[in-house]
Amino acid sequence: AQKITQTQPGMFVQEKEAVTLDCTYDTSDPSYGLFWYKQPSSGEMIFLIYQGSYDQQNATEGRYSLNFQKARKSANLVISASQLGDSAMYFCAMREGGTSGSRLTFGEGTQLTVNP
Amino acid sequence: EAGVAQSPRYKIIEKRQSVAFWCNPISGHATLYWYQQILGQGPKLLIQFQNNGVVDDSQLPKDRFSAERLKGVDSTLKIQPAKLEDSAVYLCASSQGGRGPNSPLHFGNGTRLTVT
Repeated sequence: AQKITQTQPGMFVQEKEAVTLDCTYDTSDPSYGLFWYKQPSSGEMIFLIYQGSYDQQNATEGRYSLNFQKARKSANLVISASQLGDSAMYFCAMREGGTSGSRLTFGEGTQLTVNP
Repeated sequence: EAGVAQSPRYKIIEKRQSVAFWCNPISGHATLYWYQQILGQGPKLLIQFQNNGVVDDSQLPKDRFSAERLKGVDSTLKIQPAKLEDSAVYLCASSQGGRGPNSPLHFGNGTRLTVT
């Protein structure tokens, strides 16, 4: 069963505007972590932000914030004040804790294009 | 700190040939991962090491893929014999943590394999 779902294959945003990239997940483990990675056309995977299942507040890292809605099992990435350099593939990923091991499972990604 | 090092950057081989990839993780990172990323898809875990022991190889096609991590540091991933469907980017990653959910993975630049 698909554990991470990213329903937006592609998104477009104007420079300096905010954009939300959707991610829903499925797990029965009460302990888990959610990650967002950026993959530019050069291919490297860049870690952006992390949210733990027990964290009370939404994670923020500079222009990145994670809109964590636990009951809905969603962990959307919000990028504020988009820049041309934000154009890339974005992956949501989940890691379950406890005794199930620490495999990081990725979604299929969303291709973000920032227009000038 | 130095990042995850991978080589080669690119490799082109014919089907039924063998190929090997090398990875040197970030110093002090106990956990090492090999992911396969087919064009247009999210990365898929092939194998995960904790020090020099295998934690998860459930998605490794063991009839043709093998991996080792001698001395708990460097790792090699081998494909023998290669098939056309093995064309992908092979990403190596490392993390500090063990089985907990909150250690981000740090990725290398990957090896782009083309099988003709």
